[in-house]
Amino acid sequence: DAGVIQSPRHEVTEMGQEVTLRCKPISGHNSLFWYRQTMMRGLELLIYFNNNVPIDDSGMPEDRFSAKMPNASFSTLKIQPSEPRDSAVYFCASSLQSGSTDTQYFGPGTRLTVL
Amino acid sequence: SQQGEEDPQALSIQEGENATMNCSYKTSINNLQWYRQNSGRGLVHLILIRSNEREKHSGRLRVTLDTSKKSSSLLITASRAADTASYFCASLQGAQKLVFGQGTRLTINP
Repeated sequence: DAGVIQSPRHEVTEMGQEVTLRCKPISGHNSLFWYRQTMMRGLELLIYFNNNVPIDDSGMPEDRFSAKMPNASFSTLKIQPSEPRDSAVYFCASSLQSGSTDTQYFGPGTRLTVL
Repeated sequence: SQQGEEDPQALSIQEGENATMNCSYKTSINNLQWYRQNSGRGLVHLILIRSNEREKHSGRLRVTLDTSKKSSSLLITASRAADTASYFCASLQGAQKLVFGQGTRLTINP
């Protein structure tokens, strides 16, 4: 079975440009999570969705960040405009919400570099 | 920061030895989970312990949880070179929000 799929795997862009990261969760999973990992701050939850509905976006750093989940098999994380401090690895994870023992399955990540 | 702390930040041992990593968290939890991350990869779930459990085993892994001290430990017995990775604890706060520790980088020397 395919795991969580993220694209692109690497993205290099210039400050001010729009960046869109994509995620396809595991089929049948109803929860999707976006994380950011940096050396300084570790792994941070940005936002998560249940049944395509955003539940908690308190981790989204600024209005420059937005996330959508138009259907159960696709989500995007957009940064507009991007800044050098957005450079990080962005992970998408999905789970089947079933109670207090949910396991999250992570994608391989997108390494973003903003010059 | 809402993140917990892990100790040590880095650990280097010889193959065959046991590795112990500790984790502390800050708020009440529903469960605590441990994940492994190989270099350049995503995180992989290892084991979950519920808040009403004190110890759990899975293969060479043993996890303990002390909710009174808000701490957990992960023991890997008979370590192998393939165990070289970063290990993260994650506390489940609320229904689905995982808060990750800073991680322990484990190196197993052959």
